[in-house]
Amino acid sequence: DVQMTQFPSSLSASLGDRVTITCRASQPIGDFLAWFQQKPGKAPKSLIYSASNLQSGVPSRFSGRGSGTEFTLTITTLQPEDFATYYCQQHNSYPLTFGGGTKVGV
Amino acid sequence: QVQLVQSGAEVTKPGASVKISCKASGYSFTDYYMHWVRQAPGQGLEWMGIINPSGGDATYAPKFQGRVIMTRDASTATVYMELSSLRSEDTAIYYCARALIYLIDSWGQGTLVTVSS
Repeated sequence: DVQMTQFPSSLSASLGDRVTITCRASQPIGDFLAWFQQKPGKAPKSLIYSASNLQSGVPSRFSGRGSGTEFTLTITTLQPEDFATYYCQQHNSYPLTFGGGTKVGV
Repeated sequence: QVQLVQSGAEVTKPGASVKISCKASGYSFTDYYMHWVRQAPGQGLEWMGIINPSGGDATYAPKFQGRVIMTRDASTATVYMELSSLRSEDTAIYYCARALIYLIDSWGQGTLVTVSS
């Protein structure tokens, strides 16, 4: 199985900050990486697929980069609704696997 | 708009089985695959498997192989996930998620399954 490691596991940020989350795969996965956002008590929301493509309706302050084994999710100008937990997921091979999550808090 | 509506919460005993439904609407049911993902209390997301609603073929994560069955009813645009031989560690919220094969774009609201004696 491909192991996905996210860091940091949590971070504190302020409104307007630029936030970057890193996700590392245990083996190359091309650009087959997705990012999800989850707020407490809610289902996850799909943000990005294939490393850098925004899902429909996702604000442009979210961006994704990377390929191979190293990926990043960046939020420019953090908004109140962005405080949440973020997960990466590789969709290169079965079983699909998620990172452990990064909680973005105040 | 795309909607995935899951069945309600379940409380069940160790050793029993549970079957959760996910009813799709707002799109062509057979054009998208459906994944099942679970989340134990306070934990991260765990992928369980995927079903092709068109043919009914499914692929399961090795961890759940032999205990999980994913099926669909195209006449009602509903997919099902049955998990058997339940244990306390299976207590979790179970989500269905629509995907263009591997690219998940929409999620159900989740179904809480509690396994307790």
